[in-house]
Amino acid sequence: QQPVQSPQAVILREGEDAVINCSSSKALYSVHWYRQKHGEAPVFLMILLKGGEQKGHEKISASFNEKKQQSSLYLTASQLSYSGTYFCGTGRSGSARQLTFGSGTQLTVLP
Amino acid sequence: NAGVMQNPRHLVRRRGQEARLRCSPMKGHSHVYWYRQLPEEGLKFMVYLQKENIIDESGMPKERFSAEFPKEGPSILRIQQVVRGDSAAYFCASSPDRGATEAFFGQGTRLTVV
Repeated sequence: QQPVQSPQAVILREGEDAVINCSSSKALYSVHWYRQKHGEAPVFLMILLKGGEQKGHEKISASFNEKKQQSSLYLTASQLSYSGTYFCGTGRSGSARQLTFGSGTQLTVLP
Repeated sequence: NAGVMQNPRHLVRRRGQEARLRCSPMKGHSHVYWYRQLPEEGLKFMVYLQKENIIDESGMPKERFSAEFPKEGPSILRIQQVVRGDSAAYFCASSPDRGATEAFFGQGTRLTVV
């Protein structure tokens, strides 16, 4: 079943913070975050695994609440380059195979 | 070091024609995944292939769609007798092994059925 992302869209100014949520009705084993710019390939941002292990890069962080079956992506001091659509994908294992993606959150950062 | 290559980038087909989408995974990657993205929607898993094997095709429509990943050459997603509802962006992703935590996506093929 598809995870639910919120909000659907957010507009902010450079330097502001944003939080994107991803929740699932099924128990989560792993959550994968990707960003897609218009007309481009989705790019991997971060993975969160059951048990709290977290991997990622760039100045973006995330949390994983296993009890609530929810993950949140935190973008602090946003930059223009953060604009794009953010997708969370849930996996049956810790790997990237056969991910079920949410509908995406469109983030627009204005100067 | 080339990434995942998909071609063509754009494909226009008339209803009833066949569409063939190609995906060359990153060098050293033997696992390929195909996803479909409808306008304003997320990516929907279609099929997972390893060289010469279909591992999981649970997301593939039962009819008209097929996929292969031969020993030599790219992975092919084939759609027979296309209909307007097949219009979408089709993305291919690859990983080096089944346990990899990151999948690398290609830029997609945008199929338009007229």
